[in-house]
Amino acid sequence: GEDVEQSLFLSVREGDSSVINCTYTDSSSTYLYWYKQEPGAGLQLLTYIFSNMDMKQDQRLTVLLNKKDKHLSLRIADTQTGDSAIYFCAESISSNQFYFGTGTSLTVIP
Amino acid sequence: DTEVTQTPKHLVMGMTNKKSLKCEQHMGHRAMYWYKQKAKKPPELMFVYSYEKLSINESVPSRFSPECPNSSLLNLHLHALQPEDSALYLCASSPLSGGRSGNTIYFGEGSWLTVV
Repeated sequence: GEDVEQSLFLSVREGDSSVINCTYTDSSSTYLYWYKQEPGAGLQLLTYIFSNMDMKQDQRLTVLLNKKDKHLSLRIADTQTGDSAIYFCAESISSNQFYFGTGTSLTVIP
Repeated sequence: DTEVTQTPKHLVMGMTNKKSLKCEQHMGHRAMYWYKQKAKKPPELMFVYSYEKLSINESVPSRFSPECPNSSLLNLHLHALQPEDSALYLCASSPLSGGRSGNTIYFGEGSWLTVV
């Protein structure tokens, strides 16, 4: 698969903003995604961005895409304890090929 | 409805058993996937079915045998597994075309498999 890298761990205090970063290598990505996985559960789609967009906002979530640097980020405003989970970025390079990042474990400290 | 349903949620099987994992979606998606996920690791692609035909097999051992009986169902038949095959098995589906919601892949809750 393609190399999609994320930092492994992030810790924030409740109420602060979290920023989770992702770098990818394939410039032909059409869509980029963020998924959340809570313990014992499957992957829940949070949001996605088309590759010709720079930013997408959805309530507390803001996705930023820098195509030149192949860098994707997810900002969670007013982070809550329920946001504690593993977050995976993913890229789609064709209609049935999806590559997942290494995952970032977010811990929210009350 | 963006639901992918997997059964069973938990399965314990011996190394000589034969069992199956089942997956169902009613979103009209024409691509279905099996992924294997170990604890705190990203999902690893095993198989992709596109229009009910196997389109990608990521060099998975033959003790895993996928089957796609129709466009809504996907099975994974298991035989003679090893303890290292214990993992979360995730089924997913995607539309195989863009559309308004993009080409998004949706996951089920997974089947936890323990091989003893």
